[in-house]
Amino acid sequence: DAMVIQNPRYQVTQFGKPVTLSCSQTLNHNVMYWYQQKSSQAPKLLFHYYDKDFNNEADTPDNFQSRRPNTSFCFLDIRSPGLGDAAMYLCATSIDRGPFREYFGPGTRLTVT
Amino acid sequence: QQQVKQSPQSLIVQKGGISIINCAYENTAFDYFPWYQQFPGKGPALLIAIRPDVSEKKEGRFTISFNKSAKQFSLHIMDSQPGDSATYFCAAGNAGNNRKLIWGLGTSLAVNP
Repeated sequence: DAMVIQNPRYQVTQFGKPVTLSCSQTLNHNVMYWYQQKSSQAPKLLFHYYDKDFNNEADTPDNFQSRRPNTSFCFLDIRSPGLGDAAMYLCATSIDRGPFREYFGPGTRLTVT
Repeated sequence: QQQVKQSPQSLIVQKGGISIINCAYENTAFDYFPWYQQFPGKGPALLIAIRPDVSEKKEGRFTISFNKSAKQFSLHIMDSQPGDSATYFCAAGNAGNNRKLIWGLGTSLAVNP
């Protein structure tokens, strides 16, 4: 089945140690999103890609970076994780034509020790 | 500035009852209004969505009512079941060039058996 896959599902990193989360999709969607979701809060959009065009939200900290080497893969890099970055990170995809719908992956739960 | 306001924050309903969650938006450019259901530890899943050219959409026990003049939309869950206990998010977006969602803050629904 076509889907959005996130690896790993659970990630533990140390304070200040860089970490990379990955997302892949078999939907061939040209738009990919990264969200941060903290407990009991709504998902917060960090950035999204239209094809290779990167769109950063104004309030996304510089500590968060992203790479999209091809249509199928997208990475979230946290350069120096702080305790406040512990959250669920959600990847989503959509296509830029036809009915608008975002398809979400299962998320990666990041713990910072 | 929150562009999508969701209420109530939490809701308790008896099994078989009707659950009603309301959202209001500000941006008249929005033309896509989805509801997402999220269980603990999982990514959001699209439940039902509506466009502003219709006033109501029903899928099984779930109905969206849309009032364009009031800039409000609501989710009705008929015959609520304990398995419906989850967090529900409304969102709004534009199916044009900038496809991203603005999210409500969520409603935690508990259906008592």
